[in-house]
Amino acid sequence: GAGVSQTPSNKVTEKGKYVELRCDPISGHTALYWYRQSLGQGPEFLIYFQGTGAADDSGLPNDRFFAVRPEGSVSTLKIQRTERGDSAVYLCASSFPGATEAFFGQGTRLTVV
Amino acid sequence: AQTVTQSQPEMSVQEAETVTLSCTYDTSESNYYLFWYKQPPSRQMILVIRQEAYKQQNATENRFSVNFQKAAKSFSLKISDSQLGDTAMYFCASMNRDDKIIFGKGTRLHILP
Repeated sequence: GAGVSQTPSNKVTEKGKYVELRCDPISGHTALYWYRQSLGQGPEFLIYFQGTGAADDSGLPNDRFFAVRPEGSVSTLKIQRTERGDSAVYLCASSFPGATEAFFGQGTRLTVV
Repeated sequence: AQTVTQSQPEMSVQEAETVTLSCTYDTSESNYYLFWYKQPPSRQMILVIRQEAYKQQNATENRFSVNFQKAAKSFSLKISDSQLGDTAMYFCASMNRDDKIIFGKGTRLHILP
C-alpha cells in the first residue's frame, strides 16, 4: 500500500478481554515500530522490529503486552487481560533499514471500558 | 538514557507571525538525529524537519527551520509566516544509533485567524 495501515481504527473492549491490533507497513520497510500515545502525551516507545525479530522490546510495560511479526511484514500487537489504563492510541511506524525517516499510520484508538 | 523535553505545553500565535517551539534533549551518543513531527487531529504523525547531529548547519524546510545548539543540547523549531494549517501538536524527537525514536510530550500550537 501507499502508507502504513493500521486496523482497526477504533476498538472498544471490556476490561479483562484480549485484543489484537494490526499494522501493515509500507512495502519493503524492514524496520517497524509500535508506540502508545496516551491522551495529551507524546508517543511512548513500546517495541522495535528489524525484520522478523524484535530488536528492542524494552518499552513493553508488562507481560500482558506482546508483539509479533512472523513474516517480516505485518505486525500484530497483542494485549491480554486488558485494563482501563491500557486505553490509548497505539501508533505503528515503519522505515527502510538505516533510514532516518519513519512513516506513521493513523493509529488505533483503544478504549477499555 | 535518551530523553527529550518540551517545556511549552501550549502556544498561540496570530496567523502570519513567527513562532518558536523549544526542545531540549539528552543523549550519551556522539552521533544522533533530531526531528520535529507534526500531529494534526487526524492523528497522523508527519515529519516536519530533521537534523543530523554531526552537521553544524541548521536544517531548513520552506517556512520551517531549526536552531540546533549541540553543546546546549537544544533543538528549537521556528515556523515563519504561520498558517492556519499549522495548527497541530508538535513533537520533538531524537534517535540514536539503536534506531529507537524517543518523543517529547509535545506542544499544542494554535494559529489564530
